[in-house]
Amino acid sequence: DAKTTQPTSMDCAEGRAANLPCNHSTISGNEYVYWYRQIHSQGPQYIIHGLKNNETNEMASLIITEDRKSSTLILPHATLRDTAVYYCIVRPTRGVYSSASKIIFGSGTRLSIRP
Amino acid sequence: GAGVSQTPSNKVTEKGKYVELRCDPISGHTALYWYRQSLGQGPEFLIYFQGTGAADDSGLPNDRFFAVRPEGSVSTLKIQRTERGDSAVYLCASSFQQGREQYFGPGTRLTVT
Repeated sequence: DAKTTQPTSMDCAEGRAANLPCNHSTISGNEYVYWYRQIHSQGPQYIIHGLKNNETNEMASLIITEDRKSSTLILPHATLRDTAVYYCIVRPTRGVYSSASKIIFGSGTRLSIRP
Repeated sequence: GAGVSQTPSNKVTEKGKYVELRCDPISGHTALYWYRQSLGQGPEFLIYFQGTGAADDSGLPNDRFFAVRPEGSVSTLKIQRTERGDSAVYLCASSFQQGREQYFGPGTRLTVT
């Protein structure tokens, strides 16, 4: 079972920041928070991941609360091309031949960007 | 560089037939994963290869499903005696090392009639 809880759907105006929340209250100390998204009819796309500190890359920012029980993915200037299902996932840190390297996807958040 | 590629993009087969789905991972990626996605759901893990060996096949639904990666690069997912319930999009992903971020291919849409 997925270890995260996300809203089923959200919408955001084009050009505004999209803030996607995720709860992972049972996260363990050795687990990362990962975000992927899946645009219609495409494979999932890696966005960003983090352990404790906030992270930023060219696609998004990831804000993790101090207790690590929740996080927020921020798309700073949403465009119509950001319409997708966004998956928040927790995964253990790397281990040799770890069976935990698989990704367990939940249902994700369907983000709609309105013009 | 080139991403993960999967062939065919679409496959329609009759119930009871055998199918093979191919995945070409990103060059140099040692880990390869297969997932299956039914309509309206998130992808479900099937099997994971580290090099040539299947390190975790706990997601394969039954013994009709089998996958190989003989040279540690290209992988083939094989489904025997297909059933209508096998209809789904089959996704392949690869990563530089086990546990790192995974890069997905576009998937193969399998339809069993």
